[in-house]
Amino acid sequence: DVKVTQSSRYLVKRTGEKVFLECVQDMDHENMFWYRQDPGLGLRLIYFSYDVKMKEKGDIPEGYSVSREKKERFSLILESASTNQTSMYLCASSLYSRLKNQPQHFGDGTRLSIL
Amino acid sequence: TQLLEQSPQFLSIQEGENLTVYCNSSSVFSSLQWYRQEPGEGPVLLVTVVTGGEVKKLKRLTFQFGDARKDSSLHITAAQPGDTGLYLCAVSNSGYALNFGKGTSLLVTP
Repeated sequence: DVKVTQSSRYLVKRTGEKVFLECVQDMDHENMFWYRQDPGLGLRLIYFSYDVKMKEKGDIPEGYSVSREKKERFSLILESASTNQTSMYLCASSLYSRLKNQPQHFGDGTRLSIL
Repeated sequence: TQLLEQSPQFLSIQEGENLTVYCNSSSVFSSLQWYRQEPGEGPVLLVTVVTGGEVKKLKRLTFQFGDARKDSSLHITAAQPGDTGLYLCAVSNSGYALNFGKGTSLLVTP
């Protein structure tokens, strides 16, 4: 079974801090994704990566950056945390396929609160 | 971005009842996925439907892909408390990412 592990289940940070969310997958998947999930808004894609050191902006990249130095690890960075970034953050991975309908495997999420 | 509309938004039923939730769009999809997210966990894939008119069964869950591949439904027979969760439909966009609907939140009480 694919295991996607997010480093923290709960995190509390202060406005203006630089925040790192870490995600590791153990199945050698090429694609990795960061979403945020908010009530009434669903899952929204922040960034994704299809290879080491490669990244693509999703629907809401503002205020975030990402890093993928190794295939198994994908980090989300909040450059200067703001209260509107309080949310549930979900990491996912998937296998590369030309069919582009590969299932995504999710971690259990990090509930981030910015005070 | 392909817009997916899920209905109903919330559903609260008693154990043993049947229910159907819907995922609709004006776009045609090559495939559609259904996920379930239980409280405190990430979404987990239930099924992928690919062919128009396709019906897939997963125990008490029946998934149908519309003939025109623009919509899908999920029917649960004799719901149980363990079915409680958020049901999400998702489709591929032009890249490798998925677009998700906002989900149907289901509560099954004993």
